Amino acid sequence: EIVLTQSPATLSLSPGERATLSCRASQGVGSALVWYQHKAGQAPRLLIDGASDRATGVPARFSGSGSGTDFTLTISSLEPDDFAVYYCQHRSSWPYTFGQGTKLEIK
Amino acid sequence: EVQLVESGGGLVQIGGSLRLSCSASGITFSNYVMHWVRQAPGKGLEYVSAISTNGGSTLYTDSVKGRFTVSRDNSQNTLYLQLSSLRPEDTAVYYCVRPYLYWGQGTLVTVSS
Repeated sequence: EIVLTQSPATLSLSPGERATLSCRASQGVGSALVWYQHKAGQAPRLLIDGASDRATGVPARFSGSGSGTDFTLTISSLEPDDFAVYYCQHRSSWPYTFGQGTKLEIK
Repeated sequence: EVQLVESGGGLVQIGGSLRLSCSASGITFSNYVMHWVRQAPGKGLEYVSAISTNGGSTLYTDSVKGRFTVSRDNSQNTLYLQLSSLRPEDTAVYYCVRPYLYWGQGTLVTVSS
């Protein structure tokens, strides 16, 4: 099973700042990496697929990069609505797994 | 508009069974692999199961193998997850997913003595 490790566990930033979230895989997953935003009581929202392809309707301030074992989700300038938990997930081989999440909180 | 609506969750005793359903609309259901993902209270997301377009191929995470069964009825645009031999650690919100864009709102399963 591929283990995804996200860092940091919690990120405290202010609106307007840049957020950089990391996801590291225990073995290479190519570009088969997905990022989600998750708010309590809601379904997860797809942000990025294929490591860097923004999903339909996702603002351009969200970007994904990386391949193999190291991936990054960047939010260029935080909006109040962006404070949530972010998960990475690989779809390289079964079982698909998620990282443990990064909680992005308002400083 | 794509909608995935889960149902069938509830409170069940340890060792009991439950069948979850996911009704899909707004998509050509038979064209898509479907997934089940769960989230235990206060925990992260966990993949549970996947099923091929015709139901002929199924996958499970190790912790549910032999206890959960995924199936689908393409004529009814419905995905199912049969949960058996339930344990307290199966307590979670169960999401139906049309990978990876569309998620249902989830249905809560609580396993308790």
